[in-house]
Amino acid sequence: EPEVTQTPSHQVTQMGQEVILRCVPISNHLYFYWYRQILGQKVEFLVSFYNNEISEKSEIFDDQFSVERPDGSNFTLKIRSTKLEDSAMYFCASRGDREGGSEAFFGQGTRLTVV
Amino acid sequence: AQTVTQSQPEMSVQEAETVTLSCTYDTSESDYYLFWYKQPPSRQMILVIRQEAYKQQNATENRFSVNFQKAAKSFSLKISDSQLGDAAMYFCAYRSPLMNYGGSQGNLIFGKGTKLSVKP
Repeated sequence: EPEVTQTPSHQVTQMGQEVILRCVPISNHLYFYWYRQILGQKVEFLVSFYNNEISEKSEIFDDQFSVERPDGSNFTLKIRSTKLEDSAMYFCASRGDREGGSEAFFGQGTRLTVV
Repeated sequence: AQTVTQSQPEMSVQEAETVTLSCTYDTSESDYYLFWYKQPPSRQMILVIRQEAYKQQNATENRFSVNFQKAAKSFSLKISDSQLGDAAMYFCAYRSPLMNYGGSQGNLIFGKGTKLSVKP
């Protein structure tokens, strides 16, 4: 069964450093998302990506965040200068089509720890 | 803006028994989609069941069923014949209809989750 793959599974970084979280969505999917989940809290939407551009973003997704789909397969989330409060699980998700009820498939997440 | 509320931080059920997890939401939209996701200790988000708001019939997937009350904006999940493997966090989520230009692009709005424990 196709799946969304995220790497690394766990990343520890120093405050102020840049991190890139990587995702390989399901190959024929069209919509891509990043979500984050701070420990013990709910899953929050960060950004959606469609047709090679950001289609929607939340208030959390400020200038320190960026996304790219550099080669048609990988989908990356970059955090330019990490802060302690960026520590969270980051989930990538993808969907196949425009049907609103279609399932979003999630990756297994990347646990980011900022020290 | 849409919101999703799960008022039960934790629930417990005896194996083989039935449990109901509550979810309410607030929206001014008439057409939308509702989902229940399961997050086991592995942290993977797994879709359990979905409901289209325009469908009056409650969705069912094997041991999982929902009670969708559109007027009350309520979307509860019933798990029948609970199994040890059902132990997980359960998140209720809302999705607006897709907009062609601007607006919602299918992102999910989640509740805070309910931690379900299953006792042997």
